[in-house]
Amino acid sequence: GAVVSQHPSRVICKSGTSVKIECRSLDFQATTMFWYRQFPKQSLMLMATSNEGSKATYEQGVEKDKFLINHASLTLSTLTVTSAHPEDSSFYICSASGTGARGDTEAFFGQGTRLTVV
Amino acid sequence: AQSVTQLGSHVSVSEGALVLLRCNYSSSVPPYLFWYVQYPNQGLQLLLKYTTGATLVKGINGFEAEFKKSETSFHLTKPSAHMSDAAEYFCAVSKASGSARQLTFGSGTQLTVLP
Repeated sequence: GAVVSQHPSRVICKSGTSVKIECRSLDFQATTMFWYRQFPKQSLMLMATSNEGSKATYEQGVEKDKFLINHASLTLSTLTVTSAHPEDSSFYICSASGTGARGDTEAFFGQGTRLTVV
Repeated sequence: AQSVTQLGSHVSVSEGALVLLRCNYSSSVPPYLFWYVQYPNQGLQLLLKYTTGATLVKGINGFEAEFKKSETSFHLTKPSAHMSDAAEYFCAVSKASGSARQLTFGSGTQLTVLP
């Protein structure tokens, strides 16, 4: 199957700093990437959808100025958590989909990033 | 709008017993349906998916699911549980058109396999 690499897997940062999470499609061109957030023992909640070269579309209630998403190439999307606070601590997961026989029906997930803000 | 309901946040089965994880969905358009498995602090791995065609879908690790339109269900089964099946399972739905890869997830079911 297609491979999506997410980095870092874990990050601890101080309150007030910014953290960047990368999501890379390694063997296909990801025209669309999705960013999800998962609280402990809860489901995944879609934060935003980004199409390569376009501004991301954020879900209701997600602060676009706090969660900056860049999808500048067909293989890389980044999520930057700006001025992080302890309540931003969570598990963030990206998924990517592209073109082709499988791309229209399936998205491939990264390994996730555990963010802890202290 | 689409939604997914997973009945039972925790399911325990004995090793070798039948696994049944329930999923019901709501969708105003033809859905694509998915089951994912998540191990602690990891991303999601696709077990199986239904898009079109045969309503009984076979996936990896011996899992299968049946799409029942009349019941709006997509329950996940495995005839014989293995210890390695212990994980969190998510049912998800997406639209069959448009942004087909944008998923709406259920709340998840934690499967425990007892020795």
